[in-house]
Amino acid sequence: SQQGEEDPQALSIQEGENATMNCSYKTSINNLQWYRQNSGRGLVHLILIRSNEREKHSGRLRVTLDTSKKSSSLLITASRAADTASYFCATATTGGFKTIFGAGTRLFVKA
Amino acid sequence: NAGVTQTPKFRVLKTGQSMTLLCAQDMNHEYMYWYRQDPGMGLRLIHYSVGEGTTAKGEVPDGYNVSRLKKQNFLLGLESAAPSQTSVYFCASSSPGTSGPQTYNEQFFGPGTRLTVL
Repeated sequence: SQQGEEDPQALSIQEGENATMNCSYKTSINNLQWYRQNSGRGLVHLILIRSNEREKHSGRLRVTLDTSKKSSSLLITASRAADTASYFCATATTGGFKTIFGAGTRLFVKA
Repeated sequence: NAGVTQTPKFRVLKTGQSMTLLCAQDMNHEYMYWYRQDPGMGLRLIHYSVGEGTTAKGEVPDGYNVSRLKKQNFLLGLESAAPSQTSVYFCASSSPGTSGPQTYNEQFFGPGTRLTVL
C-alpha cells in the first residue's frame, strides 16, 4: 500500500493562479519531501520538511505539514506554464531508509 | 558535475534475457537507490545501498539483484527478464541526514531507463 497519497490526481489552472496539492500519509515520518517530474524526465527535489517543522518556503513554493492529521500541502503561487509537471510527495519513515512515493498530482498550467 | 547518470536510456529485451543497468553518481553520496515507475503509480523502491559493499531489499525486490562494488556506482541486474518488469527505472542518490541515525537528505535522480520486455 502507498504511504503518500496525493490529491487531486489532476489539476488544470490558468497561468497566474495558485495551485494547491495535498498529500496524506499513514505512519510516523522523519521527513516529507516534494518532487517534480517533467514528462519523460527524472524527479527533481523541490523541498524537504522535517517532522518537527510546520511550514517551509522556497521561492514560489510553500509547504505545510500537519503531523496530527498526517497530511501535507504544496502551494505554488503565481503559476507559470513551465510549472506543468507531475508532483509527488515522498515520506521517509522513522527509523528506516525507505522513502515511499505517492502516485502524484498532474498539474497543467494553461498559458 | 554530471550528477546521477544512467545507462542505457532505452532497452528492449525478450523474456528470459538478462541485462544490467548502470547508475553512476559524482556527488560522493553514501546512499543509492533503484526505483521503478509504472503508469499511474509513484516510484517503488527495488533495492538500496547505504554504503560501498552493502545492499538491502526495498519494496519490490523480487527478480532483481544489485551490487555496489564502488561508492559511485550502483548496478541493477535482471537475471531472467519477464514482461512484468517492463517499466521505467530510476536511480537516485543522497547523503546521510543530520537529524539522527537512519535519516537522509533529499534524493537526486537520474534521467531513467525505459525497459520493455517482450
